[in-house]
Amino acid sequence: DAGVIQSPRHEVTEMGQEVTLRCKPISGHDYLFWYRQTMMQGLELLVYFNNKAVMDDSGMPKDRFSAKMPNASFSTLKIQPSEPRDSAVYFCASSFAGDYGYTFGSGTRLTVV
Amino acid sequence: ELKVEQNPLFLSMQEGKNYTIYCNYSTTSDRLYWYRQDPGKSLESLFVLLSNGAVKQEGRLMASLDTKARLSTLHITAAVHDLSATYFCAVDIGASGSRLTFGEGTQLTVNP
Repeated sequence: DAGVIQSPRHEVTEMGQEVTLRCKPISGHDYLFWYRQTMMQGLELLVYFNNKAVMDDSGMPKDRFSAKMPNASFSTLKIQPSEPRDSAVYFCASSFAGDYGYTFGSGTRLTVV
Repeated sequence: ELKVEQNPLFLSMQEGKNYTIYCNYSTTSDRLYWYRQDPGKSLESLFVLLSNGAVKQEGRLMASLDTKARLSTLHITAAVHDLSATYFCAVDIGASGSRLTFGEGTQLTVNP
């Protein structure tokens, strides 16, 4: 298995632009998580899905962030409009109910200038 | 709200020395995880601790869990430079596979 695949690896965008981050979980995993990592806040859970349904999005600024999982093998995290404070590394992770712990993707480093 | 606290947050140690990283959490749980993160890289799973008294060892690292004290430790024996990384503990209070809450991370530097 190729693991959790995220794209792009790096993204530099101007303030106000739309940014879309993508994630392909491990086949068969039914949980998918989006985390944001910054020096100041550490690892924060933004949103997570179980069987494609949003279970908790309380960590996500809903005025500008949206997350979707249209099928079991793909998820997106969209930021519109982007702001400099969104600069961070965004990790996607997946897991399987009945198993323990996550497998993380390589992350997307987002810089908003 | 679940809080997970690690200490120390920064640790600089010499090769060959021993040290312990502590992870305290605020809500009852019997599932605790340790991850390693190298600079600019993703998080790699190190240990999964699933019951009170659980102890796991891999090479120079040993992790333990005391659910009554809500405390986990990561003990480093005879440190080597390759162990330099940031170590995170994380706690799971939901059903298996559900959300993890992470500590702040301990940045470990092992000096020759």
